[in-house]
Amino acid sequence: GDSVTQMEGPVTLSEEAFLTINCTYTATGYPSLFWYVQYPGEGLQLLLKATKADDKGSNKGFEATYRKETTSFHLEKGSVQVSDSAVYFCALSDGSSNTGKLIFGQGTTLQVKP
Amino acid sequence: SQTIHQWPATLVQPVGSPLSLECTVEGTSNPNLYWYRQAAGRGLQLLFYSVGIGQISSEVPQNLSASRPQDRQFILSSKKLLLSDSGFYLCAWSVGGGLGEQYFGPGTRLTVT
Repeated sequence: GDSVTQMEGPVTLSEEAFLTINCTYTATGYPSLFWYVQYPGEGLQLLLKATKADDKGSNKGFEATYRKETTSFHLEKGSVQVSDSAVYFCALSDGSSNTGKLIFGQGTTLQVKP
Repeated sequence: SQTIHQWPATLVQPVGSPLSLECTVEGTSNPNLYWYRQAAGRGLQLLFYSVGIGQISSEVPQNLSASRPQDRQFILSSKKLLLSDSGFYLCAWSVGGGLGEQYFGPGTRLTVT
């Protein structure tokens, strides 16, 4: 079945460092891909999305490109801030039905130190 | 605009007691609705989803049940809580029939003692 694999955390960076969180997927169809962010004690917020190959999603300085050839959707940010500390989830849509179900990766914790 | 509400925000319940968590969505019609559980330091586990009133699909067998008595209301219940039911419960919605993103509520922190 479809699946999502994220790099294990925690990822610890200094403020203004470059961030990459790797995400690869396995899917039989043509899924949409998403990154969600979860701040401590809160629900998940949609960070960005891409719906077809070569699309680039971007928001709040974060970017991710839908790479069909490498089945990847890596999250990047050029200069992280302490306020970016959170758990990041990569997800894909289950395109096999009308349920709208998403398949999530296990999450990657990011800690940014001042 | 659409909003999603969950209550209560936090709950402490003894083992063997009943549970009822409520989720409501405003500003949309015929949404798909979802219940997730997130154990401490773990990822998301989809518990139930619903594509319409009275239609509930269970993803994992467990001590919980779900109901959808109205189009934009989703309820998670248990008759007798177990210690293992502790966790962070998240409700989410998506556009019905679509392949798009889900939107999450603020969550309920449940501690079973």
